[in-house]
Amino acid sequence: AQSVTQLDSQVPVFEEAPVELRCNYSSSVSVYLFWYVQYPNQGLQLLLKYLSGSTLVKGINGFEAEFNKSQTSFHLRKPSVHISDTAEYFCAVTRGYSTLTFGKGTMLLVSP
Amino acid sequence: DTEVTQTPKHLVMGMTNKKSLKCEQHMGHRAMYWYKQKAKKPPELMFVYSYEKLSINESVPSRFSPECPNSSLLNLHLHALQPEDSALYLCASSLIAGAETQYFGPGTRLLVL
Repeated sequence: AQSVTQLDSQVPVFEEAPVELRCNYSSSVSVYLFWYVQYPNQGLQLLLKYLSGSTLVKGINGFEAEFNKSQTSFHLRKPSVHISDTAEYFCAVTRGYSTLTFGKGTMLLVSP
Repeated sequence: DTEVTQTPKHLVMGMTNKKSLKCEQHMGHRAMYWYKQKAKKPPELMFVYSYEKLSINESVPSRFSPECPNSSLLNLHLHALQPEDSALYLCASSLIAGAETQYFGPGTRLLVL
């Protein structure tokens, strides 16, 4: 079975500061990893994904994530956040023909 | 275009009502999904349709009845719901079921009185 752990339920940061949202997964086989963002009262939007190849993945809105197989991590980073980045962020994993498993989510709170 | 549309955006229904949620995609995806999301929680998978056939039912109560009339359309029929069924219902689609990226719709916010 696969599982996802998002270590922080909330991350408060000031505008223009860098941020890292942590995600660790467990699986005995190769996985595919995703980060989704959910703005208030909206659906989920795909930020970025890792399927194979380069371990550094760039996504929309200036976000990037690095797949680290030895540490089973897929942390999300942004060098400078905006107020508009305030949202819930979900890390998710799938093993191939299995269903998508979500982490519990991290609320990013950006203040001026 | 990676758009999944859902109607209605909001729905209020009584416990004796029958209503339906609708989801549509025109990306040629052959897998479609229904998720339920409670406040401050991740989405929970309810159903998966693959090539218009139900492939996964995550032990969802029979008061929720999915239907996939064609490859672009997915419905969720609701009957005799309980107040605890109030949630955001999300539809998603992917090229095929499994590893492919899932694209989500904006959701229908359901309130059961």
